Amino acid sequence: AQKITQTQPGMFVQEKEAVTLDCTYDTSDPSYGLFWYKQPSSGEMIFLIYQGSYDQQNATEGRYSLNFQKARKSANLVISASQLGDSAMYFCAMRRNAGNNRKLIWGLGTSLAVNP
Amino acid sequence: DTGVSQDPRHKITKRGQNVTFRCDPISEHNRLYWYRQTLGQGPEFLTYFQNEAQLEKSRLLSDRFSAERPKGSFSTLEIQRTEQGDSAMYLCASSLAQGSLNEKLFFGSGTQLSVL
Repeated sequence: AQKITQTQPGMFVQEKEAVTLDCTYDTSDPSYGLFWYKQPSSGEMIFLIYQGSYDQQNATEGRYSLNFQKARKSANLVISASQLGDSAMYFCAMRRNAGNNRKLIWGLGTSLAVNP
Repeated sequence: DTGVSQDPRHKITKRGQNVTFRCDPISEHNRLYWYRQTLGQGPEFLTYFQNEAQLEKSRLLSDRFSAERPKGSFSTLEIQRTEQGDSAMYLCASSLAQGSLNEKLFFGSGTQLSVL
C-alpha cells in the first residue's frame, strides 16, 4: 500500500535560518512523483516543489529544495533563509504512475513556526 | 488572473439536511478535483473530472455524495442527509492536464462544513 509519513508534528525555526521537514514514503511502484505543498491559515494548498522518481538531480525552486534519497525512500523539504511568512502547515504527497491514477496520497503534515 | 474559488467558505447545517458546494476552477483548466480534509489530517481524494467526465471516484464517497461538472467548467459537490462525520474542509483543485506524474494542482481555500 502507498503511504506518506511525516514524523514531525511541529517544528520551530529562527528567521533567516534553514529548516528541514522530513518525509518518507512507501510504494512498490518504480515510477512515482513526490510533491510538497504549503497550507497557510487561509486554507488553500500552495504547490512548492516536485520530484520525479527518475529525476537524477534534486529539485530546487527558489528557497525550496528537495533532498531526495531514493534508496531510503525519503523526500525531505529544505527551506533556506526562513521568513515569517513561511509559518504554515507543510504537506508531503505522492502520486503513483499507474494507469489513469491521478490521486495524490498525503501525509499528516508538519506545522512550521518561524520565530522573529 | 483569478484562482480557484469555492463557495461558501463556511457552512453550518443540521444533521440530515442536504448541502451543496460550488467550485469555480481556473478558466483554462480541464481537470477538477475534490478532496476532503479533517482536522489534523492530510487531504483525502474524493473524485476528479476531466472536462465534464467524472473519471475516478473514491470508495470514501458514499452514495450520499454526488459531484457534477455539467459543462466542464464549474463543479458542485452535494452531500445528502448529512451526518456529523461529514464535518470537514472540502477542497477543490484544478489543473491543466499536460504531463502525468508532475501535474500540479491549484487549490481553492475550501468550504468548511460543520454538521450539528
